Amino acid sequence: GAGVSQSPRYKVAKRGQDVALRCDPISGHVSLFWYQQALGQGPEFLTYFQNEAQLDKSGLPSDRFFAERPEGSVSTLKIQRTQQEDSAVYLCASSLVFAGASGNTIYFGEGSWLTVV
Amino acid sequence: RKEVEQDPGPFNVPEGATVAFNCTYSNSASQSFFWYRQDCRKEPKLLMSVYSSGNEDGRFTAQLNRASQYISLLIRDSKLSDSATYLCAVRGSARQLTFGSGTQLTVLP
Repeated sequence: GAGVSQSPRYKVAKRGQDVALRCDPISGHVSLFWYQQALGQGPEFLTYFQNEAQLDKSGLPSDRFFAERPEGSVSTLKIQRTQQEDSAVYLCASSLVFAGASGNTIYFGEGSWLTVV
Repeated sequence: RKEVEQDPGPFNVPEGATVAFNCTYSNSASQSFFWYRQDCRKEPKLLMSVYSSGNEDGRFTAQLNRASQYISLLIRDSKLSDSATYLCAVRGSARQLTFGSGTQLTVLP
């Protein structure tokens, strides 16, 4: 596709509900990242995939957060039993080659805006 | 202390002004440095990478000071369209970028 695509763009969840956020990276991109951005803050790293392998999940704030990328392309971020503090924009980003390679540009999607009420 | 720190602003400057942002980072092993621009309710977009020797792209100049562990962004001849939040980002040995909280710029007519 032309860019990183995320859905839904906006989601309102009742506290305690489970949500699933989808990311379609740019076709052929090896690396995929999830970030969480609270209002007035910069993006905070959640997790990183290289193809289907989840190489780093150190940023996931609790065991209620789970991410997968089973076929190395589309990724889903799942949040179980949502809490009000989960309200944020969830940004997905992808890059062509493995992260850390020189000149490797990371492209962000427009984000999924989650509000927990 | 946060790993990457920026002055949140806001910076309100008149059109045509020169404005500079600084960003400090705490991890001396950081290897790559970037400035991103984020418009309201939009995703971050790469503005420019920052190289040790400093680099310029039109009205934008980025510099890196490894000894003092800060990076800077200078915008000359500000345009209304430059109004946005500017995020600095740093990558160390880990694969992900670590972002500052952003500096908000408003260019006034």
